[in-house]
Amino acid sequence: EVQLVESGGGLVQPGGSLRLSCVASGFSFSSYSMDWIRQAPGKGLEWVANIGGSGSSRYYPDSVGGRFTISRDNAKRSLYLQVNNLRDEDTAVYYCVRENLWAFDIWGQGTMVTVSS
Amino acid sequence: EIVLTQSPGTLSLSPGERATLSCRASQSVSSTNLAWYQQKPGQIPRLLIYGASSRATGTPDRFSGSGSGTDFTLTISRLEPEDFAVYYCQQFGTSPLFSFGPGTKLDVK
Repeated sequence: EVQLVESGGGLVQPGGSLRLSCVASGFSFSSYSMDWIRQAPGKGLEWVANIGGSGSSRYYPDSVGGRFTISRDNAKRSLYLQVNNLRDEDTAVYYCVRENLWAFDIWGQGTMVTVSS
Repeated sequence: EIVLTQSPGTLSLSPGERATLSCRASQSVSSTNLAWYQQKPGQIPRLLIYGASSRATGTPDRFSGSGSGTDFTLTISRLEPEDFAVYYCQQFGTSPLFSFGPGTKLDVK
């Protein structure tokens, strides 16, 4: 079964950091670009990071302002998102997503990040 | 920067009716780079359409996508009770690499 399972979310104070993880199964992980997409409570979808299959290319929207770093370990079939200097507006469910033909075809269940003092 | 606008914001229809959802881009988007998603309350998004008109695995054939350039449409030919949800369009481009529209909520009239 093709599956993505995220972990690492939680409650963090403004200015804090978290490392989100995602483990993939059921497909050739290294063959796909992977992404993180977030969704604030009651809001729409926002793409926040992309990494190529080999890990050599990484892209972010301007909105994350250098605070987010995406990485992967293909041997462990794992994707990561390091999020630093967290702000209230970073509160969201963070989804690990497989990219295929410029669309997102496999989604994890998400991990909730809450930024609050 | 490519911005996607979806209309209407909310669409109220009855089961059996035809639904037409619009996605407009601020700049031309390649048809290969436009996708549609469905999200039901409490669930994760699900890819419906990719490449503007290709149905993803498991997408019923009552869903169809069309359009080119800056104007794209998702059509549901005959609404089933399970189709009432929020629908998002998404583009792949250069800046930003990916972006989503704000969504159209399809609810029961």
